Amino acid sequence: GENVEQHPSTLSVQEGDSAVIKCTYSDSASNYFPWYKQELGKRPQLIIDIRSNVGEKKDQRIAVTLNKTAKHFSLHITETQPEDSAVYFCAATAPTTSGTYKYIFGTGTRLKVLA
Amino acid sequence: DTGVSQDPRHKITKRGQNVTFRCDPISEHNRLYWYRQTLGQGPEFLTYFQNEAQLEKSRLLSDRFSAERPKGSFSTLEIQRTEQGDSAMYLCASSFKEQFFGPGTRLTVL
Repeated sequence: GENVEQHPSTLSVQEGDSAVIKCTYSDSASNYFPWYKQELGKRPQLIIDIRSNVGEKKDQRIAVTLNKTAKHFSLHITETQPEDSAVYFCAATAPTTSGTYKYIFGTGTRLKVLA
Repeated sequence: DTGVSQDPRHKITKRGQNVTFRCDPISEHNRLYWYRQTLGQGPEFLTYFQNEAQLEKSRLLSDRFSAERPKGSFSTLEIQRTEQGDSAMYLCASSFKEQFFGPGTRLTVL
């Protein structure tokens, strides 16, 4: 069945350093890969996404890369700041029996940026 | 407020009782999703609507769970005969292209 694996489960970095979170997916039909940031007690917030027709997308300090052949995609955060501390979830779309799609989420990465 | 809203935000119930949660999606969004999230885990897919049609339901979903979206706008999720294992955050999300989440309903079953 469809599955999304996410690593690492926890990540601590010094302020100003970069952070990388990696995900792999199992369904070759997956074509959309969003990333969400969830702060404690709050809803997941979409921070960046990528579609399968591109290999990289960047938005200020955040970038996402996609390797369709290897079924890998990664989130890169540069110049990390304490406010980047949160849990980050990757997701991948998976086709449904009705011909539409649903989202399968990874298990999350708790990022802690140390001041 | 143009975001996804959910009601109630918190629900405490006794085992065996029925509970119902409501989700109001972003008005122009035709797709609506329900998820369950437990501590330390990602959102787990429960069910999905496109307009008023329920197009997908998780195989893991017990028959105690039912969801409706009668007019293609708001949706309700009902859990019958609640069990302690149902305690979780229930998240609703809506999308037209990107998916946006509501604040969730935290259910505690005593």
